[in-house]
Amino acid sequence: GQSLEQPSEVTAVEGAIVQINCTYQTSGFYGLSWYQQHDGGAPTFLSYNALDGLEETGRFSSFLSRSDSYGYLLLQELQMKDSASYFCAVRGGGGADGLTFGKGTHLIIQP
Amino acid sequence: KAGVTQTPRYLIKTRGQQVTLSCSPISGHRSVSWYQQTPGQGLQFLFEYFSETQRNKGNFPGRFSGRQFSNSRSEMNVSTLELGDSALYLCASSLSWGGSDEQYFGPGTRLTVT
Repeated sequence: GQSLEQPSEVTAVEGAIVQINCTYQTSGFYGLSWYQQHDGGAPTFLSYNALDGLEETGRFSSFLSRSDSYGYLLLQELQMKDSASYFCAVRGGGGADGLTFGKGTHLIIQP
Repeated sequence: KAGVTQTPRYLIKTRGQQVTLSCSPISGHRSVSWYQQTPGQGLQFLFEYFSETQRNKGNFPGRFSGRQFSNSRSEMNVSTLELGDSALYLCASSLSWGGSDEQYFGPGTRLTVT
C-alpha cells in the first residue's frame, strides 16, 4: 500500500516563509503532488514533482528527493489568504495506482 | 471554460437506501477520479476512470461502484448505505490518465446518511 506523513498543523507569520514536509511510502513511485484546500472549498492543484529537485511556481515551490522518499512545499511571502489545508499526494505502481493523499497540514497565518 | 460540476450538491438518505452521484468533467478532460473526504480519514481515493474504463480502485467495499460514459461524464453509486458513508464526495477531472496528476476538483456532493 501507500502512505504519507505530514504535520497536522503549522503556524507562521504573514510575510514569512514556511515549509510543509511530506514523507511517503509507496512501491513504483510515479510522482508527488500538492493540493490546497480552503475551508468549505474544493482542493486545487499547486504543483507536481516526478524527478528530484525543486519546482517553482510563483510564491510556491515544491521539492522532491526520491532517494529519501521525501518532499516539501515551500510558501514564500505568506499572505492571510494562504491560510488553508495543504495535502501531499503520491501515485505509485509505476503510475497505475490511484492518487493517495496525506491527511493534510492545516496552515495558520498570524498577522 | 466551465469547471467540474457535481450533482446534487447535498443529499440526505436513510440507511439501507442507495444513491447515485453525478460528475461532469471539464470539457476535453477524459479522466475522472472520485474521492471520499471525511474529517477522520481525510481524502480517500475511490476509483479512477479513463476512456470509459476503470483504471484503478481504492480500498472500498463493493457497495461503491462507478462508471464513465462516452462523453466522459461519470457517475458513482453507493448501495445499502451505512451511517459511515456520510461524507463529502469529490470528483476530479484531468486531461488524461497518469501524467502530472493535475486534477481539477468539483465542489463535491455532501451526503448525509441518517
